Parts: sequence; structure tokens; C-alpha cells
Amino acid sequence: SYELTQPPSVSVSPGQTASITCSGDKLGDKYPCWYQQRPGQSPVLVIYQDTKRPSGIPERFSGSSSGNTATLTISGTQPMDEADYYCQAWDRSTVGVVFGGGTKLTVL
Amino acid sequence: QVQLQESGPGLVKPSDTLSLTCAVSGDSISSNNWWGWIRQPPGKGLEWIGYMYYSGSTYYNPSLKSRVTMSVDTSKNQFSLKLSSVTAVDTAVYYCARCVSYDFWSGNIWFDPWGQGTLVTVSS
Repeated sequence: SYELTQPPSVSVSPGQTASITCSGDKLGDKYPCWYQQRPGQSPVLVIYQDTKRPSGIPERFSGSSSGNTATLTISGTQPMDEADYYCQAWDRSTVGVVFGGGTKLTVL
Repeated sequence: QVQLQESGPGLVKPSDTLSLTCAVSGDSISSNNWWGWIRQPPGKGLEWIGYMYYSGSTYYNPSLKSRVTMSVDTSKNQFSLKLSSVTAVDTAVYYCARCVSYDFWSGNIWFDPWGQGTLVTVSS
């Protein structure tokens, strides 16, 4: 079965750039997307189709992918960005969805 | 504004069937979208359960496939989840979500928006 791997945690200072990676076989060909989940809240889509931002998502959020890795980048990280982030891709073999294990972003 | 709202029992006994409904507002369940369920055990990550199209097509997580049934009620603009033979490991927050696709069969899909989630505890 298809698997996505994320680092369990990433730390960043306020105002700096945070990068969260997601790795999987040929992930760059699978239109990865990203979700933000603040404590006690539902996940919110922050990046889709690899690089696109939904309406209402700040410009500091950006996505990229190449080869086996997708990256969510948060520029000028703010304390409100502290949350869990999940990547997601589609598995053709199951016609289903796979989530990464999640990365806890700490802003300190 | 599209909104989804889960409803159902918060407590289910072991070996029973978990049943949840997701009411959709702001979009038609018969639109060109898939509708899905995702769960999250306490303190853990997200797990895709399955999704369905209004026509009745369904795809389930292989690890849950033998116990999952999804259905849609177009007259009420809602869809449902049934998970049979539950055990404590099925305790989780269950989310429903709209699955949007630019090209479903290329895998260009994402979930947006999500419902608020409902905690289902499996315990006697």
C-alpha cells in the first residue's frame, strides 16, 4: 500500500520560514495537498493541486513538489500557524486517499 | 458557503454497528463531487475511511472495507456511514468532508470543506 512520510515535528521562530516535507513514491506526480489542523478543530485545506491556495488562505503558505517529495513552506511564520499539518495523496491501486502521519509545527 | 454536519450516537457498544449521518448545506449532494469520511483516533493522525458518489459508486479503505457501508439520500441532501463489528480501536473523531476533484481518475482530488467532527467512543 502507498505510504506518505512526514517528520513528527518541526520548530520555527516567529517571522522565519518553516518547511514541512512529505515523502512518497513518485509523490510529485500525485497532486499532493496539505491540511492545517489547529488543536480541537477540523482540518482545513491550505494547499491543493500541489501549489494552489484556496480562497482565504494567506499568501505565506506555499507548496511545491518534485520527485518523491512535497514541501509545504510557510514564510514569515506567525504564532497562529502553530498546528498539525497533514499531506495527502491519491493511491491509484486502491482508488483511495492516503494521509501522511502529520507534522506538529511549533512556533517559538 | 458549503457546510457539513455530522450526527449520530457518541457511544457505541463493542460488536455493534456505528452509524453516522452527514447533512450537507450550500451544495447539492448530486453535484460533481465525491463525499467522504475520515476519522482520527484521539491523539493520532487522519485515516481515510472511504468516499462515494451520488450515483452510488463507493471506494473504501482496504483495511476497513469488510466492515464499511456508505450510502446517500439525495432527497435529504445527506450521506451516511455504517461501520460494523466495532471495537475500542474504532474510537475516534469521525469527520465527513466534500471531496473535490479536478480530475478524479488522475488523483487530482482534495477534501474541502470538512465537518466539525463527532467523537464516537466504543465502550460497554
